[in-house]
Amino acid sequence: DIQMTQSPSSLSASAGDRVTISCRASETIRTYLNWYQQKPGKAPKLLISGASTLQSGVPKRFSGSGSGTDFTLTISSLQPEDFATYFCQQSFSTPRTFGQGTKVDVK
Amino acid sequence: QLQVQESGPGLVKPSQTLSLTCTVSGESITTRNYYWSWIRQPPGKELEWIGSIYFSGTTFYNSSLKSRVTIFLDTSRNQFTLKLSSVTAADTAVFYCASTLVREIDAFDIWGQGTMVTVSS
Repeated sequence: DIQMTQSPSSLSASAGDRVTISCRASETIRTYLNWYQQKPGKAPKLLISGASTLQSGVPKRFSGSGSGTDFTLTISSLQPEDFATYFCQQSFSTPRTFGQGTKVDVK
Repeated sequence: QLQVQESGPGLVKPSQTLSLTCTVSGESITTRNYYWSWIRQPPGKELEWIGSIYFSGTTFYNSSLKSRVTIFLDTSRNQFTLKLSSVTAADTAVFYCASTLVREIDAFDIWGQGTMVTVSS
């Protein structure tokens, strides 16, 4: 199974900050990498697929990059509604696997 | 607009079989354009893919659960069902169903709101 490791596990930030979250795969997954946002008590929401393709309706302050084993989710200017947990997930092989999540909370 | 919604009991006794249903609206579950999945999240833990099913009935399961998992389609009701046998407290989780548009780099596009299942006597 491909292991997905995110860093950091949590971070504190203020509105307006630039936030970067990393995700590393245990083996190459090319660009078969997706990012989700999850708010407390809610289902995850797909933000980015294929490492960098922003989903319809997702604000342009979100961006994704990377290929191979190392990937990044960037929020260019954190907004109050962005405080949430973010997960990466690989769709290169079965079983599909997720990172452990990065919680972004208020500094 | 495609939507999915989980339903089923919130409490299951140890050693019994957990059964959850996902009702799909806005699309037929027999379409070749989508496949359908179950994912779970134990309290405070990461998401775990359980398995997926295609329009044909072909299934893919997580090997960590494979011996206990069955997913099948109910085309008459436009639903798909998860059965997980011999449950223990470790199976306590929020269970989500999700849809995936078939494409080269796919993702879990649409999620249900999730249903909490507790395994306890």
